[in-house]
Amino acid sequence: QVQLVQSGAEVKKPGASVKVSCKASGYTFTSYDFNWVRQATGQGLEWMGWMNPNSGNTGYAQKFQGRVTMTRNTSISTAYMELSSLRSEDTAVYYCARRNKQPNLPGDYWGQGTLVTVSS
Amino acid sequence: DIQMTQSPSTLSASVGDRVTITCRARQSISSWLAWYQQKPGKAPKLLIYKASSLQSGVPSRFSGSASGTEFTLTISSLQPDDFATYYCQQYNIYPWTFGLGTKVEIK
Repeated sequence: QVQLVQSGAEVKKPGASVKVSCKASGYTFTSYDFNWVRQATGQGLEWMGWMNPNSGNTGYAQKFQGRVTMTRNTSISTAYMELSSLRSEDTAVYYCARRNKQPNLPGDYWGQGTLVTVSS
Repeated sequence: DIQMTQSPSTLSASVGDRVTITCRARQSISSWLAWYQQKPGKAPKLLIYKASSLQSGVPSRFSGSASGTEFTLTISSLQPDDFATYYCQQYNIYPWTFGLGTKVEIK
């Protein structure tokens, strides 16, 4: 069965970076894009960007340009999202989600979420 | 960015009620609209994609429809498991954008 398992909660200081992992299993890792979405406590969902794990191509929301980097390691079927220059407003749960293109749908499987807390 | 206006923000209903949630896109997104259900502490769950296609495993009481840039999620007979927050998402144009959510509460 398809599973996306994310890394554990992180506590970071302002200005630091965080790297969240998303390990995929149950399907061919390189056949489906990843999207990353975050959610501040009690708030709505915010799309951050996408990555094609086959080519490594990425696309980021303008809000995160220059601060976010999405990468992958195909040998271990894992996608990564790194966010730098953290500030308190980046405190949120970060989700990876698999995009299916046949049929075209944005997120059929999601990771369990990773809480990132930014605090001095 | 394409703004998605979702209404209402909160909805109080009883088990067995028919519930309708609306999402309006500021510009055309064709039919590339998805609906998610989210419960506290859990990841969103895809219910509907391409405006009206039911995701595998989702009960048939959930349905989606579209008219131009207005999209609707309908729950035909609300069940206890359906009390949650619902989000729409357009995935026609990057950046993908979400509505602000509709919390369905017990009346």
